Amino acid sequence: DQQVKQNSPSLSVQEGRISILNCDYTNSMFDYFLWYKKYPAEGPTFLISISSIKDKNEDGRFTVFLNKSAKHLSLHIVPSQPGDSAVYFCAASPEMNYGGATNKLIFGTGTLLAVQP
Amino acid sequence: NAGVTQTPKFQVLKTGQSMTLQCAQDMNHNSMYWYRQDPGMGLRLIYYSASEGTTDKGEVPNGYNVSRLNKREFSLRLESAAPSQTSVYFCASSEMVTVSNQPQHFGDGTRLSIL
Repeated sequence: DQQVKQNSPSLSVQEGRISILNCDYTNSMFDYFLWYKKYPAEGPTFLISISSIKDKNEDGRFTVFLNKSAKHLSLHIVPSQPGDSAVYFCAASPEMNYGGATNKLIFGTGTLLAVQP
Repeated sequence: NAGVTQTPKFQVLKTGQSMTLQCAQDMNHNSMYWYRQDPGMGLRLIYYSASEGTTDKGEVPNGYNVSRLNKREFSLRLESAAPSQTSVYFCASSEMVTVSNQPQHFGDGTRLSIL
C-alpha cells in the first residue's frame, strides 16, 4: 500500500517553461515533506522541503506547494533547464520524535523529468 | 569532498551466498540509513542508526542485518542472499535523525544482483 504516490512516471517540458511535479499522500499525520533529485548512477540529492505548518516554500527556481486538505504537494520548477532532467522523488516523514519529524522517510516511486532544449 | 562512500559499486552473488555492503561518511553525522530501490517501488528504508551504538528496523528489514561499526561506518549484511534481494542499495547519513533542516546525504549506491 503506497503511502506516498507519484502518479506520473514521466513528464516532458520545453526549456524555459514551467515543470510541475505532483505527489499525493494518504496519511494526514505526515508532518514534513521533501523532494529529492536523482541522476542516473548517482544517489538522490536533497532539493527542497516543507513543513506541514506552511503551504509554500521557495528556493530559487524551485517552489514546493502543500495542500494539506487534499493531501497533495507539488514541485514547480521555473524556468526549466536541460540540467533539470532527472528523476524526482517526493518523500514524507511519517514519524515524530522529541525533536520533531524524523528522517525515516517514505519515498514515492519517482517522476522522470525530461527538459527538451 | 567524499560525503558518503559505498563499496562495492556492483556485485553479483549466487543464491545462498553472504555479502556485506560497506558505507562510510566523512561529514561527522550522527545518523545513518540503508535503503533499497526497486523498479516501481521508490526507495524503502531497511535499517537505520540514529546514533553510534544504536540500530533500528525500517520498513523492510527481513533478510538483513546491520552493524554501526563506529560513527563513520554503517554496514549492511545479507547472510543468505535471495533473488528477491536483487536491488540497488543506498546508504545515507544525516546530522541527526530529526529531519527539520538536516536532510539526508546519499551515497551513489551498490547495484546487487543475485542469481
